[in-house]
Amino acid sequence: AQKVTQAQTEISVVEKEDVTLDCVYETRDTTYYLFWYKQPPSGELVFLIRRNSFDEQNEISGRYSWNFQKSTSSFNFTITASQVVDSAVYFCALIYNTDKLIFGTGTRLQVFP
Amino acid sequence: DAGITQSPRHKVTETGTPVTLRCHQTENHRYMYWYRQDPGHGLRLIHYSYGVKDTDKGEVSDGYSVSRSKTEDFLLTLESATSSQTSVYFCAISESGGRPDTEAFFGQGTRLTVV
Repeated sequence: AQKVTQAQTEISVVEKEDVTLDCVYETRDTTYYLFWYKQPPSGELVFLIRRNSFDEQNEISGRYSWNFQKSTSSFNFTITASQVVDSAVYFCALIYNTDKLIFGTGTRLQVFP
Repeated sequence: DAGITQSPRHKVTETGTPVTLRCHQTENHRYMYWYRQDPGHGLRLIHYSYGVKDTDKGEVSDGYSVSRSKTEDFLLTLESATSSQTSVYFCAISESGGRPDTEAFFGQGTRLTVV
């Protein structure tokens, strides 16, 4: 079965703390793509990052970093020095069979000042 | 911003009535998706399309049908709306789901309430 699991329903941190959002996926495909999306309180879905199954290099973009490990089928997302503006629901997603895009249940991050 | 428009943005309808939601894109993207978002369930795929007249079911397709007669329009129809279909519906577009240089762009969502 193809599946994305985000076990953390809600995380609360205080500003400047580091926080890691977990994502575990299941797929039988050898070629697949993983994504993270952000949904701020305004409701729109914002693309953050894409990673294909052949590229396990970690990526850093400013305060954001992503750790992709095929051995554990995980694609975790870390925010360093969190800010109030990072408060949102974050979704991990998987494309398999070249065209089916499925999402995890999301993790709500609340960053308090 | 990707040219993707959902209509209507809000709708209240009665149980048993048919409802059609429209997703319109100006990007000429091949793939179009319909999702519903519910608390505790995240985004669940209802149906998707990989070309004109080419559609397939997602995880939660029961009670929904779709049509795509033109590249730019993807319609989602609730044949007989039920209260369990109260949700926020999102449309997404993607050039090609498997290509490494594409990601899905989302519409602003349609809040549907079935009373």
